[in-house]
Parts: sequence; structure tokens; C-alpha cells
Amino acid sequence: QSVLTQPPSASGTPGQRVTISCSGSSSSIGSNTVNWYQQLPGTAPKLLIYSNNQRPSGVPDRFSGSKSGSSASLAISGLQSEDEADYYCAAWDDSLNGRVFGGGTKLTVL
Amino acid sequence: QVQLVQSGAEVKKPGASVKVSCKASDYTFTSYGIGWVRQAPGQGLEWMGWISTYNGHTNYAQKLQDRVTMTTDTSTSTAYMELRSLRSDDTAVYYCARTRMVVAATIDDYWGQGTLVTVSS
Repeated sequence: QSVLTQPPSASGTPGQRVTISCSGSSSSIGSNTVNWYQQLPGTAPKLLIYSNNQRPSGVPDRFSGSKSGSSASLAISGLQSEDEADYYCAAWDDSLNGRVFGGGTKLTVL
Repeated sequence: QVQLVQSGAEVKKPGASVKVSCKASDYTFTSYGIGWVRQAPGQGLEWMGWISTYNGHTNYAQKLQDRVTMTTDTSTSTAYMELRSLRSDDTAVYYCARTRMVVAATIDDYWGQGTLVTVSS
């Protein structure tokens, strides 16, 4: 059981906009910033978004993040076939004094 | 080009220990910490902890703190993660990541390729 809650799956067609949610608590997302990661099959995770809505250099602006209260969202616009991957949210949890991840969302591009 | 290269796959028996290495290159090693994350087969990501390469300060996940030790060797720009008293549910791919902890943000922008640790009798 993950501390942060994500839907197990999401899907969309090429060109569409999809969003993935991440729900936490007052001690996690409510008090700290959120990161998002993309993991392609058989590869290491890749940092997509940090500090709720900041993109590392090289990440397309099709990817955007937002946070409100104890929840966060990742939006992917202009969906492409290469976006098919697992997506994870993460945040620091003050009560656990450690980082926590969501269970991951498998994105399928139809 | 920044790289983190991890040691090879390991097979261990229950109760044994494993030590995974993570060699960094093409950046100033002591300017960034190293975080460790693991992923059991078919499962999600689990944070294990973090070490400051500057002063050796560590922060371990509560469920692992009795069994894990993270260290660094600044002379070789290498970080190590040792896990003791291995159990079958420690079977996972272990990742290291270059990690910068700034005010209100954790930025882990480069990751190693992963090391598969299999625990089996």
C-alpha cells in the first residue's frame, strides 16, 4: 500500500491531453513539493517534474505539473506513442521523515 | 556527460549481505548527494535513503534503517549501499541517483542503470 495514491492505469489517443492524479496527506504533499518520474519498460526512472511544476532541461513542455492542497497532477498534452510508460509521483513525508512514492500509473497510448 | 555506473547483478542467500556500488563521472562528486531507490519485480518504486557526499550525513527509510548502510569514497567518486540480513522480499532492482536537496525540492536528475539483486536459497 503506497503512501501516495495514483490510479493504476490511464489511456489516451495520439494528440490527446491526459492527466494523472496523485493524492497524499497533509504531512506529504500538503507540506512538501512533488516530483514526477517517467519509467519506460526495462529502464531507470527519469525525472520529469520537480518542485511541483518545474521541468529539468530536456523535458518537453508537453509535460506539466500542478499541486493543490494534498493532491498533485501530471498533465501530458499532444500525447505521443513514446509517452507510453509508467509514471510515478513522489514527495517528502514529514511524519515518516522520508520520501514516499505513489504506486505508479501505467499510461497506454491507444 | 554525467554518468552513474552501477555494479553487476548479484545472487545472494537469505541472511547474507549485498553491497552495490555506484560510480559517478563527469561532475564534481561532492556537490551532489546520492539517493537509492529499489523496485521489486513488477512493483513500484521504494525510496531507501540518501547520503550527502559532502559530509557523509545519511537519511534512511524507517523500514530499512536497521539493515542498510550507505557510504561514499570521494577518492573514487563512488557511492555504496549495503543491505544486510537479506530476505526474499529484498529481491529487486536497486538504483542510485544523483540527488540535490535544495529548499523545498529534491532533484534527482541522473540515475544509474540499476542492479538486480536476487535473494534465493
